[in-house]
Amino acid sequence: SAVISQKPSRDICQRGTSLTIQCQVDSQVTMMFWYRQQPGQSLTLIATANQGSEATYESGFVIDKFPISRPNLTFSTLTVSNMSPEDSSIYLCSVEGSWGGYTFGSGTRLTVV
Amino acid sequence: TQLLEQSPQFLSIQEGENLTVYCNSSSVFSSLQWYRQEPGEGPVLLVTVVTGGEVKKLKRLTFQFGDARKDSSLHITAAQPGDTGLYLCAGEMGNTGTASKLTFGTGTRLQVTL
Repeated sequence: SAVISQKPSRDICQRGTSLTIQCQVDSQVTMMFWYRQQPGQSLTLIATANQGSEATYESGFVIDKFPISRPNLTFSTLTVSNMSPEDSSIYLCSVEGSWGGYTFGSGTRLTVV
Repeated sequence: TQLLEQSPQFLSIQEGENLTVYCNSSSVFSSLQWYRQEPGEGPVLLVTVVTGGEVKKLKRLTFQFGDARKDSSLHITAAQPGDTGLYLCAGEMGNTGTASKLTFGTGTRLQVTL
């Protein structure tokens, strides 16, 4: 199964600033997925990132707020822009495994103050 | 709108007890997956079920996919403290063999005490 390295694992940021989260996969994958997990809640898909094309965003998420880069088949970044306390969440990246399930990074716990 | 509703939301039981978690939807899924998430970690896949009526067993865990592929259940026998965590069902809509997005359930937080 793929191994994902996600960083940072946590950060505390000032409102109005931006944070970029990185995910590195140890194998080439076509699609990478970015999720948000608000405190005590389940996961919500933010966007799907394909290499060589613009990310596809889910309803309620926009590129200006969550720009995504996908420069190659093993790497992606998600930026949380102009942060407010409401953006405090865990952000996770994910890829599909060959066995039909998905592998997740360990998450980035973001606190905006 | 949450497509997958899990029940119960919270469950606190003692070691040795049995429990069942339910995952229900009005939508049909091509596959249904169950994950467990521990604090500070991402979800870890427990099982994938793809056939209506399918039952899979993983040691003390039994997973069932509904005949209509709209619902699923997870049964744990003789729960242990190591079973503590957030259990998430996730449905996938799409063709088998192609990556498609997951829709996660509302989650069930399980605590098993000695």
